Amino acid sequence: NAGVTQTPKFRILKIGQSMTLQCTQDMNHNYMYWYRQDPGMGLKLIYYSVGAGITDKGEVPNGYNVSRSTTEDFPLRLELAAPSQTSVYFCAISGEISPLHFGNGTRLTVT
Amino acid sequence: GESVGLHLPTLSVQEGDNSIINCAYSNSASDYFIWYKQESGKGPQFIIDIRSNMDKRQGQRVTVLLNKTVKHLSLQIAATQPGDSAVYFCAENRSGGGADGLTFGKGTHLIIQP
Repeated sequence: NAGVTQTPKFRILKIGQSMTLQCTQDMNHNYMYWYRQDPGMGLKLIYYSVGAGITDKGEVPNGYNVSRSTTEDFPLRLELAAPSQTSVYFCAISGEISPLHFGNGTRLTVT
Repeated sequence: GESVGLHLPTLSVQEGDNSIINCAYSNSASDYFIWYKQESGKGPQFIIDIRSNMDKRQGQRVTVLLNKTVKHLSLQIAATQPGDSAVYFCAENRSGGGADGLTFGKGTHLIIQP
């Protein structure tokens, strides 16, 4: 039971490139989230999903897209990478009344 | 601005001493609070939570205190060990908040001195 699996662990992108950050869960939770964490800052919500086929914007959605075609997967897409998107990205899951359970993150650098 | 914040960015304690990490929140409608621990290179890990109808909750070596009058939350770690070195975040969920209702503070870095 791995919980939340994020891939890749590290990635360097050039400005304007695109990539997809993968997030997979094996706990059958409905709620999934994408956060970014900048140095010395708390976590900011990018997008979230309350179930397959449903996604909503969080606090900082600009420059990102998501999809939720299955309960297990919640990929985060960057279409045109910018230096401001250099960050550590965390995927999290939760049940209806349970706290968030986080993956170990993807460290992204855009140069 | 942020509705949840930490009083100190860094806290240094001697191994074996008790640690107290503080958090202030500004949203009086928040009814659920959580403490997370984040070790270097890892995702945040749930430690303990408390609902607004309680003022104290205890776990293994950890206690969370909630003072709604002054909107203050604290995490107490008893007999601090080297493995407690990490950044600790408080988070609040506003009353009736949906899946997007969680707000995180900036974190306090707990350093354990041998």
